[in-house]
Amino acid sequence: SQKIEQNSEALNIQEGKTATLTCNYTNYSPAYLQWYRQDPGRGPVFLLLIRENEKEKRKERLKVTFDTTLKQSLFHITASQPADSATYLCALENQAGTALIFGKGTTLSVSS
Amino acid sequence: EPEVTQTPSHQVTQMGQEVILRCVPISNHLYFYWYRQILGQKVEFLVSFYNNEISEKSEIFDDQFSVERPDGSNFTLKIRSTKLEDSAMYFCASRGTGDTGELFFGEGSRLTVL
Repeated sequence: SQKIEQNSEALNIQEGKTATLTCNYTNYSPAYLQWYRQDPGRGPVFLLLIRENEKEKRKERLKVTFDTTLKQSLFHITASQPADSATYLCALENQAGTALIFGKGTTLSVSS
Repeated sequence: EPEVTQTPSHQVTQMGQEVILRCVPISNHLYFYWYRQILGQKVEFLVSFYNNEISEKSEIFDDQFSVERPDGSNFTLKIRSTKLEDSAMYFCASRGTGDTGELFFGEGSRLTVL
């Protein structure tokens, strides 16, 4: 069966450090992978999309890598700030392209 | 900036009652979705809708659920006879026709079934 695993439920880091979140998937052949941010009680907000032919993508302090051989994406936040504290969700489309499926998310806490 | 709007923000209902959750997607978007998130759990896909019909539905989306696009702007989720386990946050999302696949989510409707 298809699975998306974000293998840390919670990650606690100090302000200024780099946070690295992992997303692994099985039984998907994605053309792209997306990352979203979700704050408590709010809807997910799109952050970045990376395509299968892209190794790395950056947006400000965010960096995403995508390794289709390892079936893994890494999501990095550099120079982290307390305002980065949130749950980060990895998402993939199903085979038919008719649904975006989310992982359970990793809750990041950045302490000052 | 265009946004997805959902009403009501919170609804409390008795078990067995019908509930309709409403969404106004972004105006030029053509793909629409409903997701559910039980407190403390993951965002779960319920249904996707395109060209006035369901594209995909999950195992959660059983006969008690239905979706409708009654006019050019609204997209509704109906739960015919609510159960306690339907208590959750329900998110509507929409997507444009561009290649990015990015979903735009509303702020959610919290449903509490007593």
